[in-house]
Amino acid sequence: GAVVSQHPSWVICKSGTSVKIECRSLDFQATTMFWYRQFPKQSLMLMATSNEGSKATYEQGVEKDKFLINHASLTLSTLTVTSAHPEDSSFYICSASWEGNKDTQYFGPGTRLTVL
Amino acid sequence: AQKITQTQPGMFVQEKEAVTLDCTYDTSDPSYGLFWYKQPSSGEMIFLIYQGSYDQQNATEGRYSLNFQKARKSANLVISASQLGDSAMYFCAMREGRGFKTIFGAGTRLFVKA
Repeated sequence: GAVVSQHPSWVICKSGTSVKIECRSLDFQATTMFWYRQFPKQSLMLMATSNEGSKATYEQGVEKDKFLINHASLTLSTLTVTSAHPEDSSFYICSASWEGNKDTQYFGPGTRLTVL
Repeated sequence: AQKITQTQPGMFVQEKEAVTLDCTYDTSDPSYGLFWYKQPSSGEMIFLIYQGSYDQQNATEGRYSLNFQKARKSANLVISASQLGDSAMYFCAMREGRGFKTIFGAGTRLFVKA
């Protein structure tokens, strides 16, 4: 099956710093990538949808200036948490799909962010 | 607006027995897709099964089957012959219309007892 990787798998940073999380599709070209956020014992909340070469579409309530998403190529999307604060601590998961296969999203293993 | 409801926060099942995880949905779009994902403690999301709104037969994948009752707007997951490794969080999800956007239910934590 299709493989999606995320890097790093976990990160601890100081408040005020920025953190970049990478999401890569390893064996397919992902026309669309999604970024989710999951708090402990809660469901996945869609943050934004990104299409290669265009600006991301953010869900209501998600600060686009704080969560910068770039989908520069068909195999890479990045999420940058700018000026991170403790309330940004969460589990961030990306998924990827392509136009001909909307039935399945392939998820990355997730990145656990802890902001001190 | 689309909505997914999972009313069972936690479920217990004896090893080797079958278990049903409930999921109801609400959408006004006649075209939609329903998914079930498993999330073990490691956090990865594992795709289990998919059911399209126009599919005539219930989807099956190995020990997983989806009991699709369109009129009731329910899409329950049935796991047969439960195994200890089935202990995890299970999420029901829906994609509406022709778009990619998928929304997830609150999840059900399944505990399989030896």
